[in-house]
Amino acid sequence: GENVEQHPSTLSVQEGDSAVIKCTYSDSASNYFPWYKQELGKRPQLIIDIRSNVGEKKDQRIAVTLNKTAKHFSLHITETQPEDSAVYFCAASMGSSNTGKLIFGQGTTLQVKP
Amino acid sequence: NAGVMQNPRHLVRRRGQEARLRCSPMKGHSHVYWYRQLPEEGLKFMVYLQKENIIDESGMPKERFSAEFPKEGPSILRIQQVVRGDSAAYFCASHTGNSGNTIYFGEGSWLTVV
Repeated sequence: GENVEQHPSTLSVQEGDSAVIKCTYSDSASNYFPWYKQELGKRPQLIIDIRSNVGEKKDQRIAVTLNKTAKHFSLHITETQPEDSAVYFCAASMGSSNTGKLIFGQGTTLQVKP
Repeated sequence: NAGVMQNPRHLVRRRGQEARLRCSPMKGHSHVYWYRQLPEEGLKFMVYLQKENIIDESGMPKERFSAEFPKEGPSILRIQQVVRGDSAAYFCASHTGNSGNTIYFGEGSWLTVV
């Protein structure tokens, strides 16, 4: 079945450094790729998303890149801050017609050390 | 987004009891999704509903789980005869139903089976 692989599972960086999280997906019909940040005991919060008609999107310190040919997409966080520490999940839409049905990666625990 | 309301936030049930989780979508949203998150895992799609219709229940366990979204009132996820493996966070998300729209998660309902 459809699958999303996410790496690394844990990531520790110094404050101010960059963090990169990578995901690959299997469903070639996927056309929507959101990233969520989840703090302990809280809901997943959408931080950025990208659709299949673009290759890159940036929002302040956060950027996402998409390579549809290789079926992978990445999250880039620059100038990391301690408050960026959380679990990050990538997701891909199941098929192309409905963005509400998502397959999630396994998550990356990001720790930003002051 | 705070507009998706879930209750209860925390629920403790003994093995064999029933759990009912409720979700009111954001205003203007007529599509509801339920996701389950086991400890230290990503979210897994369970079911997609519109008012009075189950659109896709491919992620629902075959037994003990059911969902509804009546014409009036919230969507309800019902788990009968709960077992310890049902202990998880259950997140509801809503969506307008138009392809390309973002889904918004509620704060989740944490079920603990003792």
